[in-house]
Amino acid sequence: SAVISQKPSRDICQRGTSLTIQCQVDSQVTMMFWYRQQPGQSLTLIATANQGSEATYESGFVIDKFPISRPNLTFSTLTVSNMSPEDSSIYLCSVRGQGAMETQYFGPGTRLLVL
Amino acid sequence: QQQVKQSPQSLIVQKGGISIINCAYENTAFDYFPWYQQFPGKGPALLIAIRPDVSEKKEGRFTISFNKSAKQFSLHIMDSQPGDSATYFCAVEYGNKLVFGAGTILRVKS
Repeated sequence: SAVISQKPSRDICQRGTSLTIQCQVDSQVTMMFWYRQQPGQSLTLIATANQGSEATYESGFVIDKFPISRPNLTFSTLTVSNMSPEDSSIYLCSVRGQGAMETQYFGPGTRLLVL
Repeated sequence: QQQVKQSPQSLIVQKGGISIINCAYENTAFDYFPWYQQFPGKGPALLIAIRPDVSEKKEGRFTISFNKSAKQFSLHIMDSQPGDSATYFCAVEYGNKLVFGAGTILRVKS
């Protein structure tokens, strides 16, 4: 399985500001994903980020609010824009394993609190 | 629309007992059924997974039972230990996308 790191691990931000979260993988992967986990809740897919193409967003998530970059096969960023307290969540990136039987492996998450 | 329903919401088991968590899904196109374990402050970690052509998979103390006709699958944790206390999520996968259940908070009492 891939080793995934995220920066920052946590942050406290003021409403109206933006935060960019970085996700680094120790091997090249085709598919990367960004999830949101609201306090005490399950995980919800925000978007799929493939290198060389625009991110694909799930229903309820838009590029203006959550712009994503995927400059190469080991790195991606998610920006949470114009934040409000409702954006307080854990943001997780994941990657899909390379084998046919592989599923997704998750990073440690970024814990965001918006005041 | 909730595509996967997980139960129970929380579970308390005595040390050495069996923990059972159930999930039910609706879409027969799902083709991969993983379980994730999440400790506080950590990201979810893949625990065990199964494909629909298999009815059971066992890895150590963890077993997935899969009932394709009933569209249900469950996680059994044998000889539960206090270190197993965590939140468990079932998930279903289709087209590289994972949809998660609501999660089960497991507490194993010593």
